[in-house]
Amino acid sequence: GIQVEQSPPDLILQEGANSTLRCNFSDSVNNLQWFHQNPWGQLINLFYIPSGTKQNGRLSATTVATERYSLLYISSSQTTDSGVYFCAVASYTGANSKLTFGKGITLSVRP
Amino acid sequence: GAVVSQHPSWVICKSGTSVKIECRSLDFQATTMFWYRQFPKQSLMLMATSNEGSKATYEQGVEKDKFLINHASLTLSTLTVTSAHPEDSSFYICSARVGVNNEQFFGPGTRLTVL
Repeated sequence: GIQVEQSPPDLILQEGANSTLRCNFSDSVNNLQWFHQNPWGQLINLFYIPSGTKQNGRLSATTVATERYSLLYISSSQTTDSGVYFCAVASYTGANSKLTFGKGITLSVRP
Repeated sequence: GAVVSQHPSWVICKSGTSVKIECRSLDFQATTMFWYRQFPKQSLMLMATSNEGSKATYEQGVEKDKFLINHASLTLSTLTVTSAHPEDSSFYICSARVGVNNEQFFGPGTRLTVL
């Protein structure tokens, strides 16, 4: 199956700093999603981005499908950005298409 | 975005009992729902894919007789953990997919503790 690697595994930032989170995948994909898991366990959808670039406020994401990686940018980080960030991909279409998750990146933003 | 709910949010039960977890898509119809399990400090692991009106497809290593999945309508899927044991204690999360290739939206999760 498809492999998903996220880096770095842990990240500590001072409030206000910028950061880049990376997701590499081993095969072509037709679905790529970034999630933020908050301290209560809820996965919050950040981006659905199998290709191209999107921005939402202080967050933006870019997926270069031909080179099999995606980047999540966080600017002017806030303490509420702390949590685990997951990248998940699906590599085929149809009713049985399913997401494979990376191991996640634990972000801690210090005040 | 689409909203997915789960009930209950947490449950404590005695070993040997069965527990049912509900997953609902509140503002859309979901032909496909997914059930995941997450252990502390780990990633999400897919347990099964649930298609409305048909039998669930289980991932390798997941016991279908222990984790019963029913997807009787386009807005409801249930996971029943039968004869639960302490090793079944985990965080169970469902998701629903909008369309065939489109994004998944996740429920808030159910924390199961088996004593």
